[in-house]
Amino acid sequence: DAKTTQPTSMDCAEGRAANLPCNHSTISGNEYVYWYRQIHSQGPQYIIHGLKNNETNEMASLIITEDRKSSTLILPHATLRDTAVYYCIVGYKLSFGAGTTVTVRA
Amino acid sequence: ETGVTQTPRHLVMGMTNKKSLKCEQHLGHNAMYWYKQSAKKPLELMFVYSLEERVENNSVPSRFSPECPNSSHLFLHLHTLQPEDSALYLCASSQQSWGNQPQHFGDGTRLSIL
Repeated sequence: DAKTTQPTSMDCAEGRAANLPCNHSTISGNEYVYWYRQIHSQGPQYIIHGLKNNETNEMASLIITEDRKSSTLILPHATLRDTAVYYCIVGYKLSFGAGTTVTVRA
Repeated sequence: ETGVTQTPRHLVMGMTNKKSLKCEQHLGHNAMYWYKQSAKKPLELMFVYSLEERVENNSVPSRFSPECPNSSHLFLHLHTLQPEDSALYLCASSQQSWGNQPQHFGDGTRLSIL
């Protein structure tokens, strides 16, 4: 499975959009991009996944570049409850790295 | 509510005890997984079951023994554990093993070995 690179941490303001980047330059043609998040002391929560088209659901939007080497998770209106570690994963064998620690501030 | 329920949420046991962790999924999925998450480490896959058959064992010590009696239930039987086995144990399920549909996780059992 392809490896991913994410920033270690980021802050965002409550009510603003949070844009979380992920690089996956070694992704292969049939590998999906998955996003999960983990709030302290809970299990990982599935957010969204996609192959090549942009995807949107009630939680977030996923923007995948045309060459599929990177993607961005967008939380449209961040709330304090969105504070968590966000994981970008490529391929069906979920390999969780360190993720991005997102802190939403009031 | 993810549709995956794990019990107990917390467990403290001595190294000579025998206990079991339970996972139940209400999603109609055919695959179930056990993961281990130690402090400040990424999740580690332990076992994968597909239609009640074990399809992957990720070099897990024999003191951990999984059981999948049907596609909705998964157990992890524990015996003679070591202090380094203290961790969060997570169960997940998906429509099929290693397919493109996402896995859904329970909230885990926090295990402490005395």
